[in-house]
Amino acid sequence: DIQMTQSPSTLSASVGDRVTITCRASQTISTWLAWYQQKPGKAPILLIYKASRVESGVPSRFSGSGSGTEFTLTISSLQPGDFATYYCQQYDNYPYTFGQGTKLEI
Amino acid sequence: QVQLVESGGGVIQPGRSLRLSCAASGFTFSNYGMCWVRQAPGKGLEWVTLTWYDGSNKFYADSVKGRFTVSRDNSKNTLYLQMNSLRAEDTAVYYCAKTMGSSYFEAIDYWGHGTLVTVSS
Repeated sequence: DIQMTQSPSTLSASVGDRVTITCRASQTISTWLAWYQQKPGKAPILLIYKASRVESGVPSRFSGSGSGTEFTLTISSLQPGDFATYYCQQYDNYPYTFGQGTKLEI
Repeated sequence: QVQLVESGGGVIQPGRSLRLSCAASGFTFSNYGMCWVRQAPGKGLEWVTLTWYDGSNKFYADSVKGRFTVSRDNSKNTLYLQMNSLRAEDTAVYYCAKTMGSSYFEAIDYWGHGTLVTVSS
């Protein structure tokens, strides 16, 4: 199975900050990577797919990049609603796997 | 709009079986791959299983292989998860989720609200 490792596990930031979360795959996954945001008690929502494509309706401050084994999610200017947990997921190879999550806190 | 509504969760004893259902609406169900993702209390997301648009191919996480079975009824727009030989570590919120396409290389674009399964004696 492909292991997905996110860093950091927890990230403290302030409104207006630019933040970057990294996701590394244990083997190459081309650009078959998605990013999700999850708030407590809620289902995840899709932010980014195919490594860099922003899902419709997602604010433009969210962006993704990378290919192969290393990927990043960047939030250009944090808003209060962005404090949540973020997960990467590979969908190159079954079983699809998620990273352990990055909690973004104030 | 896309709606995914899970049902069937509850408290169940170890070793017993449970079947979850997911009623889909707002899209052409038979055109899309569907999956189940779970989240143990206070933990991260765990991909459980996926079925292609027509049910011809199914894939499972190692942790549930041989115990869980995914199926779909495209005439009823419903996804199922049959869970046998349940263990305490299967305790989680189970999310039904729609993929962006029919088979390979598709991210999840919609999620249900989840149904809680608690395995406890």
